Amino acid sequence: QVQLVQSGAEVRKPGASVKVSCKASGYTFTNHEIFWVRQAPGQGLEFMAWIHPDSGNTGYAQKFEGRVIMTRDTSISTAYMELISLSSEDTAVYYCARNALGLHYWGQGTLVTVSS
Amino acid sequence: QSALTQPASVSGSPGQSITISCTGTSSDVGAYNYVSWYQQHPGKAPKVMIYDVSGRPSGLSNRFSGSKSGNTAFLTISGLQAEDEADYYCCSYTTSRTVVFGGGTKLTVL
Repeated sequence: QVQLVQSGAEVRKPGASVKVSCKASGYTFTNHEIFWVRQAPGQGLEFMAWIHPDSGNTGYAQKFEGRVIMTRDTSISTAYMELISLSSEDTAVYYCARNALGLHYWGQGTLVTVSS
Repeated sequence: QSALTQPASVSGSPGQSITISCTGTSSDVGAYNYVSWYQQHPGKAPKVMIYDVSGRPSGLSNRFSGSKSGNTAFLTISGLQAEDEADYYCCSYTTSRTVVFGGGTKLTVL
């Protein structure tokens, strides 16, 4: 069965960076794009970026261009999202999701808390 | 890219039908038939309910249906049930090769 398992919760200080991983299993990792979506407390879903694991092609929401770094390691079927120059406004749950027939499979979410 | 526009809340009684609208522009909703809808219960990850405007994932209840007219997409839930109470988000592919979400609609089953 398809699964996306994300890394655990993180706490960072303002100005720092955070890297969240998303390990895929149950399908061929290189066949489908991985999207990253975040949700601040009490707020809606916000698209951040996507990566195609095979080509390495990426796409970014304008808001996050220059601040999000998308990478992947196909040998271990894992995608990574690194967000730099964190502020308190980046406190959110970060989700990865597989793009096929919509965002059909989602990770469990990773809470990133930015606090001094 | 501005968020797609959804009503903040809708409500209905069990057994009734409701429709949630999602308005975008000619650069997103109106440009492609790549609109999806997500249901999210508190503390849970979103779940896809509709993809490609009107596609329904395998095994999903046919009480959920999607459509689109111009720059506006719609999610209709018929035969409302208590477990349908959740937040619903629309999402569209854009001409910038990204996606954009709606602000979300809270569905209350009275």
